[in-house]
Amino acid sequence: GQNIDQPTEMTATEGAIVQINCTYQTSGFNGLFWYQQHAGEAPTFLSYNVLDGLEEKGRFSSFLSRSKGYSYLLLKELQMKDSASYLCAPVDSNYQLIWGAGTKLIIKP
Amino acid sequence: GAVVSQHPSRVICKSGTSVKIECRSLDFQATTMFWYRQFPKQSLMLMATSNEGSKATYEQGVEKDKFLINHASLTLSTLTVTSAHPEDSSFYICSARAGGDFNEQFFGPGTRLTVL
Repeated sequence: GQNIDQPTEMTATEGAIVQINCTYQTSGFNGLFWYQQHAGEAPTFLSYNVLDGLEEKGRFSSFLSRSKGYSYLLLKELQMKDSASYLCAPVDSNYQLIWGAGTKLIIKP
Repeated sequence: GAVVSQHPSRVICKSGTSVKIECRSLDFQATTMFWYRQFPKQSLMLMATSNEGSKATYEQGVEKDKFLINHASLTLSTLTVTSAHPEDSSFYICSARAGGDFNEQFFGPGTRLTVL
């Protein structure tokens, strides 16, 4: 079957760094997305990894290891507005995004 | 970036009525559009995938006669919730994909449906 495993909730301090881990099992693999979703809003695109390694984009970086079925999202210099759910979504062999429940990130001052 | 709009953003209706939700890709042609439903504190649930000009492919457990999807053009897809009931109350989100190797889905802002 297809499965996504992310922590349900994480708490971090404003200005700090946090790493959100994601392990996945899918039927085939065609890349992995990270989305941010604020409460009551639709997801917004953060990153896409298809090859192993680290992709850096401003305060956010995403890492992928295909052999381990593992990805993480690294958020630096945390701001209060980063409080949201972060969704790891691998793409399966049918080019469908597989969604987990996401990780709710709480930023404290 | 690509923009997807949804209308209405919020709708309240009586049980038994039908509600139509529109999803439009504003600055690109969407070869594929997706309809999701999300209940509070739960993950996105894919309801159906539609390609322009063809019938939608529904996920297991989603009633195609209840959730009517029309993808008549490359920029517009509609979801009609027929004979809505309170258990259909949810956040409905559409997304659109332009095609090609990059599979990014651009999401609409969502529609909050409340059935009384």
